[in-house]
Amino acid sequence: NAGVTQTPKFRVLKTGQSMTLLCAQDMNHEYMYWYRQDPGMGLRLIHYSVGEGTTAKGEVPDGYNVSRLKKQNFLLGLESAAPSQTSVYFCASSHRTSGLLNSPYNEQFFGPGTRLTVL
Amino acid sequence: GIQVEQSPPDLILQEGANSTLRCNFSDSVNNLQWFHQNPWGQLINLFYIPSGTKQNGRLSATTVATERYSLLYISSSQTTDSGVYFCAAYLLGTNDYKLSFGAGTTVTVRA
Repeated sequence: NAGVTQTPKFRVLKTGQSMTLLCAQDMNHEYMYWYRQDPGMGLRLIHYSVGEGTTAKGEVPDGYNVSRLKKQNFLLGLESAAPSQTSVYFCASSHRTSGLLNSPYNEQFFGPGTRLTVL
Repeated sequence: GIQVEQSPPDLILQEGANSTLRCNFSDSVNNLQWFHQNPWGQLINLFYIPSGTKQNGRLSATTVATERYSLLYISSSQTTDSGVYFCAAYLLGTNDYKLSFGAGTTVTVRA
């Protein structure tokens, strides 16, 4: 049981190049998320998905696209990378969230992160 | 959106000391999580604690949802406790899903 995995772990891009980050989870979670973490800050939500074939915008979606073709995978794409996208990217997953206060299904589990540098 | 504030921003401890980290949030939440980010950048779930008190070894956490705060206690600190501690609050909305993170408390434990 690997939990949440991310590929690649590190990447250096030149401005204008494109790339795709892959997130995979083996916990049969319905929800998946992409966050970015910048120095001295907490994580900010980029996009999320509540199920296969569905995606939605988070707090900072501009410059990114996502796809969820399979339940276990969530892809984050940068079509034309910019230096402002230099960051550490984290993927997370959870079960279907519940409005119940103490529902265990709301807990999110995070991958190890991808460090991306755009020159 | 939810505003999450953590205090103190930085904390330096001598090994063996106890400490309390605080997380204040602006709206009623359905989910409150504490994470530890180690010096290698890995995020580790510490507690999922929308309300009440939980303990795990030397760490414990208490959330008082009605008063909109959560506390993380570290007892008998060790150098391996160093890193950044984040709290994250989540508000269930009809069309909005957002887990909002605080800026973190950087903890340095000295031998």
